[in-house]
Amino acid sequence: DAGVIQSPRHEVTEMGQEVTLRCKPISGHDYLFWYRQTMMRGLELLIYFNNNVPIDDSGMPEDRFSAKMPNASFSTLKIQPSEPRDSAVYFCASSWGREQPQHFGDGTRLSIL
Amino acid sequence: SQQGEEDPQALSIQEGENATMNCSYKTSINNLQWYRQNSGRGLVHLILIRSNEREKHSGRLRVTLDTSKKSSSLLITASRAADTASYFCATVPNSGGYQKVTFGTGTKLQVIP
Repeated sequence: DAGVIQSPRHEVTEMGQEVTLRCKPISGHDYLFWYRQTMMRGLELLIYFNNNVPIDDSGMPEDRFSAKMPNASFSTLKIQPSEPRDSAVYFCASSWGREQPQHFGDGTRLSIL
Repeated sequence: SQQGEEDPQALSIQEGENATMNCSYKTSINNLQWYRQNSGRGLVHLILIRSNEREKHSGRLRVTLDTSKKSSSLLITASRAADTASYFCATVPNSGGYQKVTFGTGTKLQVIP
């Protein structure tokens, strides 16, 4: 079975550019989560969806961040404009039910110069 | 402070020894989950223990849960170099609705061959 697929695996871009991270969850999972991981702040939940509907976006740091889930098999996390402090590893995870284990992708390592 | 804090932050042991990691949390939970993260990869679910369970085993892993003390421990027996990774606990609140799952700060385990 295919796991959670994230793209790109690495992204290096200049400050001010728009960045789009993509995620394909596991088929049949009804929850999708976006996390950010840094050495300083650990693993932070940014936003999560249930049946394609955003439920809690209180972790989204600023209006520069936005996330969408147009259908059950695809989600995007967009940063516009990007800043150096956005540099981190961004993970997408999905689960069948809120209480069930989450399945993580291998992340996108984002570097903003 | 953050729900789900692991202790110790880092642990270094010799191959063959046992490794014990602890997790403390603050609110009432439905279940608690342990995850492993290898360097450069996403988190991988290891084991889930429900609030009405006290102990659970999976291969060389043993997890205990003490809801009165709001704490859990993960024991890895007969450790191997391949167990080198970061380990996280995650708590699923018992309040129902859309209360979010919270990950702890992690324990970095190094197993020396």
